[in-house]
Amino acid sequence: GAVVSQHPSWVICKSGTSVKIECRSLDFQATTMFWYRQFPKQSLMLMATSNEGSKATYEQGVEKDKFLINHASLTLSTLTVTSAHPEDSSFYICSARDPPRDTQYFGPGTRLTVL
Amino acid sequence: EDQVTQSPEALRLQEGESSSLNCSYTVSGLRGLFWYRQDPGKGPEFLFTLYSAGEEKEKERLKATLTKKESFLHITAPKPEDSATYLCAVQAGQAGTALIFGKGTTLSVSS
Repeated sequence: GAVVSQHPSWVICKSGTSVKIECRSLDFQATTMFWYRQFPKQSLMLMATSNEGSKATYEQGVEKDKFLINHASLTLSTLTVTSAHPEDSSFYICSARDPPRDTQYFGPGTRLTVL
Repeated sequence: EDQVTQSPEALRLQEGESSSLNCSYTVSGLRGLFWYRQDPGKGPEFLFTLYSAGEEKEKERLKATLTKKESFLHITAPKPEDSATYLCAVQAGQAGTALIFGKGTTLSVSS
């Protein structure tokens, strides 16, 4: 149990376009989801906390107008990278909190490459 | 400031050579300490949650322990498939708050 999926697993886009990444909890309801970014050989960097039905809370230094987060249901959160640029290329990972176990389960990640 | 430090940064073992990874933490109001395994190009895979000092949990060749200042991940007779980055994270304060991650220990096990 406690499976989290992400789609797409990888995406290549041109500079200036927007990209949407979906994060789904498949077998539990997640009131809270988190979005992370990971650079090569580095640990996870928290970008934002997403609560179902409310606005996301962004970490300091993360542009909320660039990284739009929507948590429309208890099983789905989306991250939209708007007007992507090469410096936005990274590995994006979501996690979902399973309330009964108070444990975060991670998705497989999305590799974004902006040309 | 809440902080998590993992050591060593990298560890190379021969198959069957047991060892331990360390995670020391400074946090006010520890709610839980988590261990994850991450393979290259994949998301972290949940291993254990520890809640209070003295607690231990085991899964196959892995055993996690917790004291008031640190946690150890013991690997007994590792196999090459245990090669991965092991991440330690703590949660403080209220339920649902974000995890604070260490930088990880990259384990390489050779046959």
